[in-house]
Amino acid sequence: DAGITQSPRHKVTETGTPVTLRCHQTENHRYMYWYRQDPGHGLRLIHYSYGVKDTDKGEVSDGYSVSRSKTEDFLLTLESATSSQTSVYFCAISESPDRGVGYGYTFGSGTRLTVV
Amino acid sequence: GNSVTQMEGPVTLSEEAFLTINCTYTATGYPSLFWYVQYPGEGLQLLLKATKADDKGSNKGFEATYRKETTSFHLEKGSVQVSDSAVYFCALPSGSARQLTFGSGTQLTVLP
Repeated sequence: DAGITQSPRHKVTETGTPVTLRCHQTENHRYMYWYRQDPGHGLRLIHYSYGVKDTDKGEVSDGYSVSRSKTEDFLLTLESATSSQTSVYFCAISESPDRGVGYGYTFGSGTRLTVV
Repeated sequence: GNSVTQMEGPVTLSEEAFLTINCTYTATGYPSLFWYVQYPGEGLQLLLKATKADDKGSNKGFEATYRKETTSFHLEKGSVQVSDSAVYFCALPSGSARQLTFGSGTQLTVLP
């Protein structure tokens, strides 16, 4: 969907370097989420945001930070990349959890990150 | 918190075969339940959902019924096609922000 885009689509980086992934939405949805996808683990939540400058940790937040300075952008930063952070990263948006009880998410196309 | 347990894969079927992918859940109350599908190289897409017990979600020939007695939400399709080859995820909301918790995914391959 054009309503949510992730950049870059692919990235190779070296161990120890910082990396920032971007999620951009045009839907004006309040809630945004970062997940990572790894074989055998499904999708695991890293961080989420429930409004501008309002963020919270998910189940696998160690080594990651996020920022949301405006509604449309949610940035995920790997402070010092490690090989264990090689993964596919997905951003998702949702209008609200109240409607989200029956609502669901819209996902981006993903960023494939390789840490060498 | 809420959780789902999903049938392990991979699953390989011939075209026109019947499909079942099992999903059971553990939850407080009766949250909405979802099935998402991921085609190769793409993000996840909502396939279907059910918002309360005994509801049946359906889309593209796929169906799933929210069964509180067995805490299950199994995905079924009567006649699969090669184009249904994808990874399927069961999910439900969990936590204060109703963030979705996903199963581990089931890879389906349909052979012509």
